[in-house]
Amino acid sequence: SAVISQKPSRDICQRGTSLTIQCQVDSQVTMMFWYRQQPGQSLTLIATANQGSEATYESGFVIDKFPISRPNLTFSTLTVSNMSPEDSSIYLCSVEDDNFGTKVPVATQYFGPGTRLTVL
Amino acid sequence: GQNIDQPTEMTATEGAIVQINCTYQTSGFNGLFWYQQHAGEAPTFLSYNVLDGLEEKGRFSSFLSRSKGYSYLLLKELQMKDSASYLCAGLDSNYQLIWGAGTKLIIKP
Repeated sequence: SAVISQKPSRDICQRGTSLTIQCQVDSQVTMMFWYRQQPGQSLTLIATANQGSEATYESGFVIDKFPISRPNLTFSTLTVSNMSPEDSSIYLCSVEDDNFGTKVPVATQYFGPGTRLTVL
Repeated sequence: GQNIDQPTEMTATEGAIVQINCTYQTSGFNGLFWYQQHAGEAPTFLSYNVLDGLEEKGRFSSFLSRSKGYSYLLLKELQMKDSASYLCAGLDSNYQLIWGAGTKLIIKP
């Protein structure tokens, strides 16, 4: 199966600053997703990043706060802008692919290791 | 609205069997996923069900009843390494995943 990596794995940031998280896949994928997961909470989808078009944001998330880039089929970035302590969370990227040999008849999401962000 | 319900936490004994339940309400239904997530790690795919019945995969099995909006994950011969959170996610009519909050499974020796 594809290998998904994220950088940084964790960071501690000051209020009002911005952090860019990178997600790299070792094979080309069409769909990439960015999630937020707070302790004890479910995964919350921030946006879907498609190569060659603007990201599609979910309700409650806006491009000015979470700008996303998707320059090619193996890479994406998520920026958390003007951070506040409420942005402290784990940020996960995932890719959707039906070629990972699972025999599942629908595209399945596979996750990167996550970025643990703490905002002071 | 769309909703996935699963217990917050369960405790079981090493070597035993545990069943983690999940009920779902989605706009349309294109299947149900189970993921395992160890503390501090990414969720990893365990199973997918779209037809009623039991799918067995080694020590893990997943069951689906579409008429009841219900699924369960059955873990047999529990090992300490099975201590993790188990996430249930339904795939709605738009092929969007609706995630449950996860069930934290604690295995005791």
